[in-house]
Amino acid sequence: DAKTTQPTSMDCAEGRAANLPCNHSTISGNEYVYWYRQIHSQGPQYIIHGLKNNETNEMASLIITEDRKSSTLILPHATLRDTAVYYCIVLNDYKLSFGAGTTVTVRA
Amino acid sequence: NAGVTQTPKFQVLKTGQSMTLQCAQDMNHEYMSWYRQDPGMGLRLIHYSVGAGITDQGEVPNGYNVSRSTTEDFPLRLLSAAPSQTSVYFCASSYLTGGYGYTFGSGTRLTVV
Repeated sequence: DAKTTQPTSMDCAEGRAANLPCNHSTISGNEYVYWYRQIHSQGPQYIIHGLKNNETNEMASLIITEDRKSSTLILPHATLRDTAVYYCIVLNDYKLSFGAGTTVTVRA
Repeated sequence: NAGVTQTPKFQVLKTGQSMTLQCAQDMNHEYMSWYRQDPGMGLRLIHYSVGAGITDQGEVPNGYNVSRSTTEDFPLRLLSAAPSQTSVYFCASSYLTGGYGYTFGSGTRLTVV
């Protein structure tokens, strides 16, 4: 299974962009990169996913390097409500394997 | 659409009791799974199913049973509750084909005393 490495925590100023890095150097060619977040003790919330190309939706942008060994989740204008644990996951055989994630704190 | 519905939201059990955590989805998802989350930790996969009649173990299956008689429902059974099973349990579902996000339920908070 492809493993991911994320920083334990990061702070971000409200209104600024938050860039969350993720390393997945053992990813296989057909494995997707998914991002989820968990606010307090709620169920994880899907943010975005990608295979090779950069992706953007209403919540975030996902930048995947050309060699696919790392990616960056970008929250363009962070708000206090974006404070959460963010998980970068490589999907293996349908199964999501959650690591410790990055605790993101957005400060006013 | 209701999405993924988990019941109950809270439960307190005595050691040795049994119970079933319910999970239902109305999105016709083939894949369903159960996770547990202990305080301060990430989610760990207990059991999963890729369709009715098909189940398999995740990374922490001991003490839990599952069955999948319909596409919609995926109950999780605790056979003899232990304090170590105190946790928050999440159910998730998805289409099997790649490129779709998983939908999670709101969780069941279980305390075993």
